[in-house]
Amino acid sequence: GAVVSQHPSRVICKSGTSVKIECRSLDFQATTMFWYRQFPKQSLMLMATSNEGSKATYEQGVEKDKFLINHASLTLSTLTVTSAHPEDSSFYICSAPPAGKGDIQYFGAGTRLSVL
Amino acid sequence: DAKTTQPNSMESNEEEPVHLPCNHSTISGTDYIHWYRQLPSQGPEYVIHGLTSNVNNRMASLAIAEDRKSSTLILHRATLRDAAVYYCILRDRGSARQLTFGSGTQLTVLP
Repeated sequence: GAVVSQHPSRVICKSGTSVKIECRSLDFQATTMFWYRQFPKQSLMLMATSNEGSKATYEQGVEKDKFLINHASLTLSTLTVTSAHPEDSSFYICSAPPAGKGDIQYFGAGTRLSVL
Repeated sequence: DAKTTQPNSMESNEEEPVHLPCNHSTISGTDYIHWYRQLPSQGPEYVIHGLTSNVNNRMASLAIAEDRKSSTLILHRATLRDAAVYYCILRDRGSARQLTFGSGTQLTVLP
């Protein structure tokens, strides 16, 4: 099956620093990628939709200036958590449906962010 | 997206079949029934999906009620590696939109 690679798998940073998370589709192109956040014992919540070549679409309550998304190519989307604070500590997961085949989505392994 | 209802948790013994139920009484005619699962500390992975007919693949079987208001994911022989949260999700055909996750069913497999 298709593979989505997410990097890094785990990051620990100090409060106030920025962290970049990469999401790559390794064997297919994705015009759209999705970023989710998952807090402990909770389900995945969509943060934003990343669109190749255009601005991302953010869900209500998600600060676009804090969570910067760039989808510069058909195989790469990045999420940058700017000026991270302890409350941003969470499990961040990306997903992508292969272009033209919207039925199945493939997920990255997730990034565990811990902000001290 | 139409809502789904699943039990919060279920237990199974290793190497026994597991039937995970999902109710979706407001399903529309073009909604596919998708199942994903999330192993601990990992991203979700696709399990199976179907529209009206029962479906089988190497991971599981999907039994869909005749009125499509419920479905059951069947793991034929549960292993310890099948312990995960299982999500039943409805999606319109060909939709490339995001998946909307409910709370899912936490499956515990006992040795």
